[in-house]
Amino acid sequence: AQKVTQAQTEISVVEKEDVTLDCVYETRDTTYYLFWYKQPPSGELVFLIRRNSFDEQNEISGRYSWNFQKSTSSFNFTITASQVVDSAVYFCALSRGDSNYQLIWGAGTKLIIKP
Amino acid sequence: DAMVIQNPRYQVTQFGKPVTLSCSQTLNHNVMYWYQQKSSQAPKLLFHYYDKDFNNEADTPDNFQSRRPNTSFCFLDIRSPGLGDAAMYLCATSRESAGKSNQPQHFGDGTRLSIL
Repeated sequence: AQKVTQAQTEISVVEKEDVTLDCVYETRDTTYYLFWYKQPPSGELVFLIRRNSFDEQNEISGRYSWNFQKSTSSFNFTITASQVVDSAVYFCALSRGDSNYQLIWGAGTKLIIKP
Repeated sequence: DAMVIQNPRYQVTQFGKPVTLSCSQTLNHNVMYWYQQKSSQAPKLLFHYYDKDFNNEADTPDNFQSRRPNTSFCFLDIRSPGLGDAAMYLCATSRESAGKSNQPQHFGDGTRLSIL
């Protein structure tokens, strides 16, 4: 069975702190894809990153970085020097990459950045 | 530049009165999706179109139907809305190759549906 676990329901930090959002997944597939999406209070889901199972390189995009570790089945997301605009719900999701188009979503982590 | 456009942003309907939500895209993506998202939950896939091929999720209620008259447009019809159908409805698109689902989905702003 496939599953995505985001154990942190809500995180609250003060602006400029670094924060890491955890994502742990379960799958028996050898080929799969992992995604992070951001959902600000306005409601739209914004794609942040995709990683395939064969690419374990970490990625950095400005203040955002992602750490993919197959050994621990984790795909964690770190925001450095957080800003109030980072306040949102962040979802981690898993795709099998085959003709099954259903994304397996984590429950989401609500991130609150206080000024 | 909105690429996946959902109208209206807010929709109020009466219990049992049919309602249609619309989605259009300028990305020319071949796959379109409809999701239902309730408060504090992850999105739940209702159905998707791969080109003109309609794919219904097994647990999508019969009350929900969809139409895709062309590549750019997709509609969600709720035939007899109940109070439990109040939710945010999200449309998404992606460009996929046959037999593969690995591309990011691009979402619209959503339509928040209220049932009176």
